[in-house]
Amino acid sequence: RKEVEQDPGPFNVPEGATVAFNCTYSNSASQSFFWYRQDCRKEPKLLMSVYSSGNEDGRFTAQLNRASQYISLLIRDSKLSDSATYLCVVILNTNAGKSTFGDGTTLTVKP
Amino acid sequence: GAGVSQSPSNKVTEKGKDVELRCDPISGHTALYWYRQSLGQGLEFLIYFQGNSAPDKSGLPSDRFSAERTGGSVSTLTIQRTQQEDSAVYLCASSSRGPPPYEQYFGPGTRLTVT
Repeated sequence: RKEVEQDPGPFNVPEGATVAFNCTYSNSASQSFFWYRQDCRKEPKLLMSVYSSGNEDGRFTAQLNRASQYISLLIRDSKLSDSATYLCVVILNTNAGKSTFGDGTTLTVKP
Repeated sequence: GAGVSQSPSNKVTEKGKDVELRCDPISGHTALYWYRQSLGQGLEFLIYFQGNSAPDKSGLPSDRFSAERTGGSVSTLTIQRTQQEDSAVYLCASSSRGPPPYEQYFGPGTRLTVT
């Protein structure tokens, strides 16, 4: 089993739709969590950090569920420009760095 | 301020040759990471540097791969006797020491093609 697992998709949704991605992790000691966005042939860019209390940034909401060991990303009112691959990242703070990326979920928003 | 920079942006080399890839992290960032991403695949962790501590080399795929970080800043990833399966985008990222959550910021990558 992979340390971090994501549904690869692809998710194909119409503009304005709400879409949610989940990411599960295997190490219960993990302490830091992020979502990154990666456009085709570009480097990953930080989208948002994920906290147990939830984190909202405009149309994007990230949530952490420690009991079930997953993080989620919700995108509301999706735009064409949201089309990208979304990567979740899990970090064990005890190592202050060693990080594991999921393989990514591909989203295509269509007109 | 300036972000993470990497050079070269593209590198084509013949099988069996050695290559060096360079990463300049964000100024003041003490942590530096190297990843590899093959076409259509996720990020594969290679190595992690934190300040003057011994690096975490647990992700290096073979002894042909090595990396160093001089003066706690610039890092060089060296691949000896390159093989065709080494073809990938090599990404460097840096982050601050803390406190958490240790967000990583990526450079644009070096696209390596081994012919």
